[in-house]
Amino acid sequence: DADVTQTPRNRITKTGKRIMLECSQTKGHDRMYWYRQDPGLGLRLIYYSFDVKDINKGEISDGYSVSRQAQAKFSLSLESAIPNQTALYFCATSPSGRDNDNEQFFGPGTRLTVL
Amino acid sequence: AQTVTQSQPEMSVQEAETVTLSCTYDTSESDYYLFWYKQPPSRQMILVIRQEAYKQQNATENRFSVNFQKAAKSFSLKISDSQLGDAAMYFCAYRSPLEKLTFGTGTRLTIIP
Repeated sequence: DADVTQTPRNRITKTGKRIMLECSQTKGHDRMYWYRQDPGLGLRLIYYSFDVKDINKGEISDGYSVSRQAQAKFSLSLESAIPNQTALYFCATSPSGRDNDNEQFFGPGTRLTVL
Repeated sequence: AQTVTQSQPEMSVQEAETVTLSCTYDTSESDYYLFWYKQPPSRQMILVIRQEAYKQQNATENRFSVNFQKAAKSFSLKISDSQLGDAAMYFCAYRSPLEKLTFGTGTRLTIIP
């Protein structure tokens, strides 16, 4: 079984619709992240959470919100989707603690298309 | 803010040959990590190799090695004996002391049989 799972894997929606992308992990990590990937731009950080009560904005948080429902679950919402939010979305996790090398482990990605 | 630059959008190499992918970064920090991730057509992000900034020795993982030049803020990836399965997008990434990853824009590597 995959350690970091994302649902759905692919989604097509219409402008103005609310959509939620979900991420679950079985790695026991405290830290979770949401990124989006656009062609030619690499991955950019949307939001991150270092524990259940901690939520932080990344570099491109406008138009997005998140919820950390439990240590293992971190969801990303688009309240009113727009076409330029069409992208590949990745969830990632990492362990906390300065002694760890803190590698981030990525989910398989969600391909979102907003028409 | 930290930036990561990959100046080669595309590279190609003959199978069994060696190729080097370039990466430079900008930071005022002294303690950080650098990573190379591979993204094959399956789109999964796979860690290839990592380097701690405080270590002078270059990291090596089988056919993959890095040339880390801290003063020059350069972190290149060398792939030896290239194989067809190495074809992918490669992303260089910088991890700040605050644990955030900053990615470069990627280099698409093609392996020529």
